[in-house]
Amino acid sequence: NAGVMQNPRHLVRRRGQEARLRCSPMKGHSHVYWYRQLPEEGLKFMVYLQKENIIDESGMPKERFSAEFPKEGPSILRIQQVVRGDSAAYFCASSPGLGTGGRNEQFFGPGTRLTVL
Amino acid sequence: DQQVKQNSPSLSVQEGRISILNCDYTNSMFDYFLWYKKYPAEGPTFLISISSIKDKNEDGRFTVFLNKSAKHLSLHIVPSQPGDSAVYFCAAITSGTYKYIFGTGTRLKVLA
Repeated sequence: NAGVMQNPRHLVRRRGQEARLRCSPMKGHSHVYWYRQLPEEGLKFMVYLQKENIIDESGMPKERFSAEFPKEGPSILRIQQVVRGDSAAYFCASSPGLGTGGRNEQFFGPGTRLTVL
Repeated sequence: DQQVKQNSPSLSVQEGRISILNCDYTNSMFDYFLWYKKYPAEGPTFLISISSIKDKNEDGRFTVFLNKSAKHLSLHIVPSQPGDSAVYFCAAITSGTYKYIFGTGTRLKVLA
């Protein structure tokens, strides 16, 4: 009964390289959310995906960042041409959908800590 | 525009005493509130929630209070234990939507 899985847990990239972060949601969950936590800040929503669809990417920078959640396999957050300011912890969460009665509990993975040198 | 605010970045409490963590929000459309607990190098884990139709929800040592008129909620932990030392995030959401808005977190340290 695995929870949300993220890999890698730690990722080091040099400026200009690409970073790929993977997230496998909990079994039975078809909704995935990505959040970013900068040092000394809270969790900031980036993107919400359902299988094969991006529902809301309003929190994601327009350039260099992209996300996908294919029919098969994990969700991927891709950051191209990374810069030092991309250094952060990136968390993925999943849920089975919009909860009844307003409940919409999201289950978080352990995060990927990205360091850009 | 920070819609959910946790104005105390840190809090230290003696073991056995009460810990009170506070959270303020500005968006009156929020009707469901959650507290998450986060240990270092781990993801946030759900702790307790409250719907806007209630003003109190209790689960063991944890109680969340909601004051809608003041747009304020608080998390009470009593008695506090060293294992409660973590960062606590409050989050708010509008029913039927999916976008949590998180506060910046309060780091609680429970001293043995």
